[in-house]
Amino acid sequence: QQQVKQSPQSLIVQKGGISIINCAYENTAFDYFPWYQQFPGKGPALLIAIRPDVSEKKEGRFTISFNKSAKQFSLHIMDSQPGDSATYFCAALRGSGNTGKLIFGQGTTLQVKP
Amino acid sequence: DTGVSQDPRHKITKRGQNVTFRCDPISEHNRLYWYRQTLGQGPEFLTYFQNEAQLEKSRLLSDRFSAERPKGSFSTLEIQRTEQGDSAMYLCASTPGQGARNTEAFFGQGTRLTVV
Repeated sequence: QQQVKQSPQSLIVQKGGISIINCAYENTAFDYFPWYQQFPGKGPALLIAIRPDVSEKKEGRFTISFNKSAKQFSLHIMDSQPGDSATYFCAALRGSGNTGKLIFGQGTTLQVKP
Repeated sequence: DTGVSQDPRHKITKRGQNVTFRCDPISEHNRLYWYRQTLGQGPEFLTYFQNEAQLEKSRLLSDRFSAERPKGSFSTLEIQRTEQGDSAMYLCASTPGQGARNTEAFFGQGTRLTVV
């Protein structure tokens, strides 16, 4: 059972454009939603995360938008740069009584063209 | 470097052989996780430790897999009688397990296993 669904699978954006990646979750007990960035041959690195008590979180060029009623959240990368080319994973975690076990989406491969 | 360290980075083994991977978490982190990532997919949870106690194992972790964290510091993941389907990236992560940032997981660079 895929508890976190991510789209699109791949994305091509021109330098300076906005990259948008979407995720949807099923389990309403999830209460922590991080995004990870992964370069080839490397482990995932935490990019930004949000909890459902806020609808948006911004860190630099990266913004998470969160819609609790729709059980959806998205990552926006503003002014996308070639160095942003990587695979992005959304994830979800159930906090209370938690194991800290992350449930990941399938990933989105982003290519930013110069 | 105070990040999560994994060794080896790459391992090629023949089918049927046993392999062991090591993970050194961030020193003050008391939770340690193992994930498996196959090509084109997100990481999938295998197991986790709170200090030296193994508290949860995924159904993905067959009887051929065993993990230990004997002193609550580093951990090992052993795969016995490897199969071609075991070929994957094995990722280790650690979290503080307590405090305001208790759920922030930091991943190592992974061990890429190829079973031939």
